Amino acid sequence: DQQVKQNSPSLSVQEGRISILNCDYTNSMFDYFLWYKKYPAEGPTFLISISSIKDKNEDGRFTVFLNKSAKHLSLHIVPSQPGDSAVYFCAAGNEKLTFGTGTRLTIIP
Amino acid sequence: DAGVIQSPRHEVTEMGQEVTLRCKPISGHDYLFWYRQTMMRGLELLIYFNNNVPIDDSGMPEDRFSAKMPNASFSTLKIQPSEPRDSAVYFCASTPNTGELFFGEGSRLTVL
Repeated sequence: DQQVKQNSPSLSVQEGRISILNCDYTNSMFDYFLWYKKYPAEGPTFLISISSIKDKNEDGRFTVFLNKSAKHLSLHIVPSQPGDSAVYFCAAGNEKLTFGTGTRLTIIP
Repeated sequence: DAGVIQSPRHEVTEMGQEVTLRCKPISGHDYLFWYRQTMMRGLELLIYFNNNVPIDDSGMPEDRFSAKMPNASFSTLKIQPSEPRDSAVYFCASTPNTGELFFGEGSRLTVL
């Protein structure tokens, strides 16, 4: 049973536009949420996080939104750049993190 | 600073053989995690350790899988005997607390 779901396996966005990646979770006890970025043949690298007491966290071009009532998490990238092309994983948990299946983002020049 | 170091980076073996994957966490990190990445299931947590003690191994698929952490700087994930469905990328990650994970580059396993 997948506790963290990323329903879009892939997404293509024009360079300069906004990329929105979505994630849903089922466990209301999760109190920490993260996004990771993964390039081919590399390990995932941390991008941005948010705790359950907040609904928004911003870091440069990246913003994470948390809607606890809907158990929904999203990552906004604006403006999107070609170097943002990668697989993005959302993760949620407490002491241990549960990851989604990933969304492959392709930025079209 | 060195990150999480995994070996081997690639392993090709035949069904029935024993496979041992190795991980050196970042010095000072008290938590170590083993994940497996497949297309169908994404990143699955197999097992994690805190201060060298296994805390949760509920993700280990079956008895063919075992993991050890004999000291703070070394962990192994063993598959014996290996099967084709074990083919995946296995990641080790460490963290000093229960937050951001630092991942190694992964070990790509192919079982023929």
